[in-house]
Amino acid sequence: KQEVTQIPAALSVPEGENLVLNCSFTDSAIYNLQWFRQDPGKGLTSLLLIQSSQREQTSGRLNASLDKSSGRSTLYIAASQPGDSATYLCAVRGSGNTPLVFGKGTRLSVIA
Amino acid sequence: EAGVAQSPRYKIIEKRQSVAFWCNPISGHATLYWYQQILGQGPKLLIQFQNNGVVDDSQLPKDRFSAERLKGVDSTLKIQPAKLEDSAVYLCASSWGGEETQYFGPGTRLLVL
Repeated sequence: KQEVTQIPAALSVPEGENLVLNCSFTDSAIYNLQWFRQDPGKGLTSLLLIQSSQREQTSGRLNASLDKSSGRSTLYIAASQPGDSATYLCAVRGSGNTPLVFGKGTRLSVIA
Repeated sequence: EAGVAQSPRYKIIEKRQSVAFWCNPISGHATLYWYQQILGQGPKLLIQFQNNGVVDDSQLPKDRFSAERLKGVDSTLKIQPAKLEDSAVYLCASSWGGEETQYFGPGTRLLVL
Protein backbone atom coordinates (compact mmCIF):
# COMPACT_ATOMS: atom_id res chain seq x y z
CA LYS A 1 0.00 0.00 0.00
CA GLN A 2 1.40 3.37 -1.05
CA GLU A 3 2.20 5.80 1.77
CA VAL A 4 3.22 9.41 1.31
CA THR A 5 5.10 11.37 3.96
CA GLN A 6 5.80 15.08 3.98
CA ILE A 7 8.46 16.75 6.07
CA PRO A 8 8.35 19.17 7.77
CA ALA A 9 4.73 19.34 8.92
CA ALA A 10 5.04 23.10 9.38
CA LEU A 11 7.58 25.70 8.35
CA SER A 12 7.93 29.42 9.06
CA VAL A 13 10.41 31.53 7.10
CA PRO A 14 11.11 35.24 6.58
CA GLU A 15 10.13 36.79 3.27
CA GLY A 16 12.72 36.41 0.52
CA GLU A 17 14.14 33.08 1.64
CA ASN A 18 14.49 30.12 -0.68
CA LEU A 19 12.97 26.97 0.78
CA VAL A 20 12.55 23.26 0.12
CA LEU A 21 9.59 21.04 0.96
CA ASN A 22 10.10 17.30 1.02
CA CYS A 23 7.89 14.40 0.00
CA SER A 24 8.68 10.69 0.19
CA PHE A 25 6.69 7.69 -0.99
CA THR A 26 7.05 4.00 -0.24
CA ASP A 27 6.24 2.41 -3.62
CA SER A 28 8.46 3.69 -6.44
CA ALA A 29 6.17 2.25 -9.15
CA ILE A 30 4.34 5.52 -9.72
CA TYR A 31 2.70 6.98 -12.82
CA ASN A 32 3.05 10.61 -11.79
CA LEU A 33 3.44 12.94 -8.82
CA GLN A 34 1.64 16.21 -8.20
CA TRP A 35 2.17 19.13 -5.87
CA PHE A 36 -0.91 21.03 -4.76
CA ARG A 37 -1.50 24.19 -2.78
CA GLN A 38 -4.41 24.55 -0.34
CA ASP A 39 -5.42 27.87 1.16
CA PRO A 40 -7.48 27.89 4.39
CA GLY A 41 -11.12 27.04 3.75
CA LYS A 42 -10.52 26.41 0.07
CA GLY A 43 -9.97 23.55 -2.32
CA LEU A 44 -6.70 22.39 -3.83
CA THR A 45 -4.87 24.06 -6.68
CA SER A 46 -2.51 21.97 -8.80
CA LEU A 47 0.95 23.54 -8.96
CA LEU A 48 3.11 21.04 -10.81
CA LEU A 49 2.68 17.55 -12.24
CA ILE A 50 5.74 15.37 -12.92
CA GLN A 51 5.38 12.24 -15.02
CA SER A 52 7.38 9.21 -13.88
CA SER A 53 9.72 9.59 -16.85
CA GLN A 54 10.57 13.19 -15.94
CA ARG A 55 13.12 14.50 -13.44
CA GLU A 56 11.71 17.95 -12.80
CA GLN A 57 9.11 20.56 -13.66
CA THR A 58 9.27 24.32 -13.28
CA SER A 59 6.63 27.01 -13.05
CA GLY A 60 7.71 30.53 -12.21
CA ARG A 61 9.40 30.51 -8.80
CA LEU A 62 8.50 26.85 -8.23
CA ASN A 63 10.62 23.87 -9.16
CA ALA A 64 9.69 20.28 -8.38
CA SER A 65 12.09 17.38 -8.74
CA LEU A 66 11.43 13.66 -8.76
CA ASP A 67 13.80 10.80 -7.88
CA LYS A 68 11.59 7.79 -8.44
CA SER A 69 14.20 5.20 -7.50
CA SER A 70 14.66 6.67 -4.04
CA GLY A 71 10.99 7.51 -3.60
CA ARG A 72 11.53 11.24 -3.13
CA SER A 73 10.34 14.56 -4.48
CA THR A 74 11.18 18.10 -3.47
CA LEU A 75 9.37 21.36 -4.09
CA TYR A 76 11.71 24.33 -4.24
CA ILE A 77 10.24 27.81 -3.76
CA ALA A 78 12.53 30.70 -4.68
CA ALA A 79 12.36 34.16 -3.10
CA SER A 80 9.37 33.33 -0.91
CA GLN A 81 6.57 35.88 -0.47
CA PRO A 82 3.80 36.24 2.15
CA GLY A 83 1.33 35.21 -0.56
CA ASP A 84 3.03 31.80 -0.67
CA SER A 85 1.65 31.06 2.81
CA ALA A 86 -0.55 27.96 2.46
CA THR A 87 -0.49 24.20 2.94
CA TYR A 88 1.42 22.31 0.26
CA LEU A 89 0.33 18.75 -0.49
CA CYS A 90 2.17 16.07 -2.40
CA ALA A 91 0.22 13.28 -4.11
CA VAL A 92 1.30 10.24 -6.11
CA ARG A 93 -0.59 8.11 -8.61
CA GLY A 94 0.31 4.50 -9.30
CA SER A 95 0.12 2.81 -12.69
CA GLY A 96 -3.28 2.05 -14.13
CA ASN A 97 -6.33 3.98 -13.03
CA THR A 98 -5.30 4.03 -9.37
CA PRO A 99 -6.30 6.92 -7.11
CA LEU A 100 -4.07 9.74 -5.96
CA VAL A 101 -2.54 9.10 -2.55
CA PHE A 102 -1.90 12.30 -0.62
CA GLY A 103 0.53 13.22 2.12
CA LYS A 104 -0.65 15.22 5.13
CA GLY A 105 0.91 18.40 3.80
CA THR A 106 3.39 21.03 4.92
CA ARG A 107 1.92 24.22 6.36
CA LEU A 108 4.07 27.14 5.21
CA SER A 109 4.07 30.61 6.73
CA VAL A 110 6.11 33.36 5.08
CA ILE A 111 6.60 36.28 7.42
CA ALA A 112 6.86 39.81 5.97
CA GLU B 1 -13.61 28.78 -17.79
CA ALA B 2 -15.84 28.20 -14.75
CA GLY B 3 -14.34 26.04 -12.03
CA VAL B 4 -15.79 23.13 -10.08
CA ALA B 5 -18.85 24.26 -8.13
CA GLN B 6 -19.96 22.74 -4.83
CA SER B 7 -22.85 23.40 -2.49
CA PRO B 8 -23.51 23.94 0.29
CA ARG B 9 -20.25 25.41 1.55
CA TYR B 10 -21.01 24.62 5.17
CA LYS B 11 -23.38 22.20 6.89
CA ILE B 12 -24.00 21.43 10.55
CA ILE B 13 -26.15 18.41 11.44
CA GLU B 14 -26.72 16.12 14.39
CA LYS B 15 -25.58 12.52 14.35
CA ARG B 16 -27.97 10.07 12.72
CA GLN B 17 -29.33 12.81 10.42
CA SER B 18 -28.94 12.71 6.65
CA VAL B 19 -27.05 15.16 4.46
CA ALA B 20 -26.39 15.59 0.73
CA PHE B 21 -23.70 17.47 -1.14
CA TRP B 22 -23.80 18.61 -4.75
CA CYS B 23 -21.01 19.04 -7.29
CA ASN B 24 -20.97 20.51 -10.80
CA PRO B 25 -17.69 19.71 -12.57
CA ILE B 26 -15.91 21.74 -15.23
CA SER B 27 -17.79 21.48 -18.51
CA GLY B 28 -16.53 18.60 -20.62
CA HIS B 29 -14.64 16.81 -17.85
CA ALA B 30 -15.45 13.12 -18.03
CA THR B 31 -13.97 12.13 -14.68
CA LEU B 32 -15.37 13.24 -11.33
CA TYR B 33 -13.99 12.52 -7.87
CA TRP B 34 -15.28 12.87 -4.31
CA TYR B 35 -12.67 13.15 -1.54
CA GLN B 36 -12.96 13.30 2.23
CA GLN B 37 -10.42 15.48 4.04
CA ILE B 38 -10.31 15.17 7.81
CA LEU B 39 -8.63 18.03 9.68
CA GLY B 40 -4.84 17.71 9.51
CA GLN B 41 -4.93 14.95 6.87
CA GLY B 42 -4.59 14.81 3.13
CA PRO B 43 -7.68 14.13 1.03
CA LYS B 44 -8.81 10.50 0.73
CA LEU B 45 -10.65 9.35 -2.38
CA LEU B 46 -14.19 8.15 -1.70
CA ILE B 47 -15.42 7.53 -5.23
CA GLN B 48 -14.38 8.14 -8.84
CA PHE B 49 -16.78 8.37 -11.79
CA GLN B 50 -15.94 8.11 -15.48
CA ASN B 51 -18.93 9.73 -17.18
CA ASN B 52 -21.81 8.17 -15.23
CA GLY B 53 -20.06 4.91 -14.36
CA VAL B 54 -18.20 4.14 -11.13
CA VAL B 55 -14.48 3.46 -11.60
CA ASP B 56 -13.40 3.15 -7.96
CA ASP B 57 -15.49 3.15 -4.80
CA SER B 58 -13.28 0.87 -2.73
CA GLN B 59 -12.92 3.41 0.11
CA LEU B 60 -16.56 4.49 0.21
CA PRO B 61 -18.35 3.33 3.42
CA LYS B 62 -21.25 1.90 1.50
CA ASP B 63 -23.37 1.19 4.57
CA ARG B 64 -23.91 4.94 5.01
CA PHE B 65 -22.47 6.76 1.99
CA SER B 66 -23.90 6.80 -1.52
CA ALA B 67 -23.11 8.79 -4.63
CA GLU B 68 -24.49 9.19 -8.11
CA ARG B 69 -23.62 11.11 -11.22
CA LEU B 70 -26.75 11.87 -13.16
CA LYS B 71 -26.28 11.90 -16.94
CA GLY B 72 -22.51 12.03 -16.49
CA VAL B 73 -22.48 15.68 -15.38
CA ASP B 74 -23.58 16.76 -11.88
CA SER B 75 -23.01 14.52 -8.90
CA THR B 76 -24.45 14.17 -5.41
CA LEU B 77 -22.87 12.53 -2.37
CA LYS B 78 -25.17 11.46 0.46
CA ILE B 79 -24.52 10.37 4.03
CA GLN B 80 -27.30 8.53 5.88
CA PRO B 81 -27.08 8.31 8.85
CA ALA B 82 -24.19 10.60 9.74
CA LYS B 83 -21.70 9.79 12.49
CA LEU B 84 -19.46 12.11 14.49
CA GLU B 85 -16.40 10.84 12.61
CA ASP B 86 -17.90 12.04 9.31
CA SER B 87 -17.00 15.62 10.27
CA ALA B 88 -14.65 16.67 7.49
CA VAL B 89 -14.35 18.70 4.32
CA TYR B 90 -15.82 16.95 1.29
CA LEU B 91 -14.01 17.93 -1.88
CA CYS B 92 -15.17 17.38 -5.43
CA ALA B 93 -12.68 17.36 -8.31
CA SER B 94 -12.87 16.77 -12.05
CA SER B 95 -10.49 16.05 -14.90
CA TRP B 96 -10.56 15.38 -18.62
CA GLY B 97 -9.45 11.81 -18.12
CA GLY B 98 -8.54 9.52 -15.27
CA GLU B 99 -4.81 10.25 -15.28
CA GLU B 100 -4.71 13.97 -15.85
CA THR B 101 -4.58 17.06 -13.67
CA GLN B 102 -7.51 17.28 -11.29
CA TYR B 103 -9.29 20.56 -10.63
CA PHE B 104 -10.83 20.92 -7.18
CA GLY B 105 -13.88 22.73 -5.95
CA PRO B 106 -13.91 24.79 -2.72
CA GLY B 107 -15.32 21.91 -0.68
CA THR B 108 -18.21 21.46 1.73
CA ARG B 109 -17.30 21.66 5.40
CA LEU B 110 -19.46 19.23 7.41
CA LEU B 111 -19.77 19.28 11.18
CA VAL B 112 -21.66 16.43 12.85
CA LEU B 113 -22.71 17.13 16.45
